[in-house]
Amino acid sequence: LAKTTQPISMDSYEGQEVNITCSHNNIATNDYITWYQQFPSQGPRFIIQGYKTKVTNEVASLFIPADRKSSTLSLPRVSLSDTAVYYCLVGANYGGSQGNLIFGKGTKLSVKP
Amino acid sequence: DGGITQSPKYLFRKEGQNVTLSCEQNLNHDAMYWYRQDPGQGLRLIYYSQIVNDFQKGDIAEGYSVSREKKESFPLTVTSAQKNPTAFYLCAVRMGQKHSPLHFGNGTRLTVT
Repeated sequence: LAKTTQPISMDSYEGQEVNITCSHNNIATNDYITWYQQFPSQGPRFIIQGYKTKVTNEVASLFIPADRKSSTLSLPRVSLSDTAVYYCLVGANYGGSQGNLIFGKGTKLSVKP
Repeated sequence: DGGITQSPKYLFRKEGQNVTLSCEQNLNHDAMYWYRQDPGQGLRLIYYSQIVNDFQKGDIAEGYSVSREKKESFPLTVTSAQKNPTAFYLCAVRMGQKHSPLHFGNGTRLTVT
C-alpha cells in the first residue's frame, strides 16, 4: 500500500503556475497516480491520472519522473476558483485484498488576488 | 457529479436513532464506495461493493451497515452503535477497471445531537 506525502498547505496568487508535489516512495509496479480536487462541502473531483512521464489535460498537467517515487501536479495560471484541497492517491485498486486507497489530508491551496 | 445522487444533503438525528443515507447512480458503474470525512481531515473508507449482493468492510466499518440489492443503489445505515456519527458522508462510484478513478456524489452532512 503506497503511502503519500504532500505539503499541508500552499499559497499562490492569481495568474501564477502552481506545482504541488507528492512523494510516494513505495509505489508498486501496477500503481497509477491520481489527483483529486475538493471544494468545501462537495465531493472530490477527479483532475488527472497518470502512470509515467507526463500527462496533460484541459485543466492540469501531471509530471512523473522515471523512478515514479514522486509526482507533481501543475496548475497553469491559477484563479481564485482554484482555491481547494488537492489529494494525491497512488494505487491500482480502491478496495479489496490488493489494498485500499487512502485519502490523506491533502494540500490546501489558497489563491489570493 | 450529475450521475450520482446523494440524499438528503443535510440530515439531523437524535442520538440513539439509526439513519440511512441514500446513494443512487445512473452511470452503470460496478463499484460503489462510502467514505466519511471529518473537518480538516482526509476521507476514510467505510464500506465498498464491487458487485451486486456483495460488499466489503473498509477501514472504519464499525457502527455502519450497507446493502447492495441493485446495481444503482448502495444505501448506508449509520447505527446507534457508531460512537461519533456526525460527519460528512461521501458516496463514490467507479468503472470496473482497477485503475479507473472514483466519481463522487455531493455528500450528505449528518448531524447527530
